[in-house]
Amino acid sequence: GAVVSQHPSRVICKSGTSVKIECRSLDFQATTMFWYRQFPKQSLMLMATSNEGSKATYEQGVEKDKFLINHASLTLSTLTVTSAHPEDSSFYICSAPWWDRGRRGAFFGQGTRLTVV
Amino acid sequence: AQKVTQAQTEISVVEKEDVTLDCVYETRDTTYYLFWYKQPPSGELVFLIRRNSFDEQNEISGRYSWNFQKSTSSFNFTITASQVVDSAVYFCALASNDYKLSFGAGTTVTVRA
Repeated sequence: GAVVSQHPSRVICKSGTSVKIECRSLDFQATTMFWYRQFPKQSLMLMATSNEGSKATYEQGVEKDKFLINHASLTLSTLTVTSAHPEDSSFYICSAPWWDRGRRGAFFGQGTRLTVV
Repeated sequence: AQKVTQAQTEISVVEKEDVTLDCVYETRDTTYYLFWYKQPPSGELVFLIRRNSFDEQNEISGRYSWNFQKSTSSFNFTITASQVVDSAVYFCALASNDYKLSFGAGTTVTVRA
C-alpha cells in the first residue's frame, strides 16, 4: 500500500475560496516533505519544502502567502491554496524522503487534481 | 544547478516494438540519485527505478532495462516488446542527498495495438 497518503485526490472549488491538501506519511516520520505542481501536459516543478517545526522554504516565483504550508507533525504536512483562481488549477503532489539504516528513498502521494471554476 | 533533459517529447510505437527513452542530466554533485517514473492518465507517479551515482551497473527488470553512463551523463530507459499498458508519460529525475527531485520534461509514450 501507499506509504504517503495525499487527500483529497480531486477537488473542484469556486474562485476566491481556499483549498487544503493533506499529505501524510503512514509508517515513517517525515521531518521534510516536498510539494510539487504540475500544469497540464507539463513536468513537475518543485514549489516548496515543508519542514517540521520551522517555516517552509519556497522556490523562486512561488507566492508564500498564496500557498500556505504547515508541517504540523512528523507525519503531516498541509498545503493550503488561498483565494484560489482558475490559473491555480493544477495537479499538486507531495513527496517525503526517508532514511533508514543507510537506505534512502522518496515516496510520493497520489496527487491532488485541483480545478478552480 | 541540476538539470534533466528528455529530448523526446512523444514516441509512438506499435505493440511489441522496443522503445528507448533518453535522459541526460547535469549536476555538480558527486553523490546524486537518478530516477525513472511512469505517470499514467490517473496522474499518480509510479516509481520504476532509482540509481545511485556510484553504481553504474545496468539493470533489467522484466521488460524494462536501464543504461547508466556517467561518462555521458545519461540514464536511458528501454521498454522491450512494448504493450498497450505501457502507454504513459515517463519522467526521468535527478536528486541530491536531500531527495529534492528535478524532473525532466517527460516523454509521452503511445503504444498502438
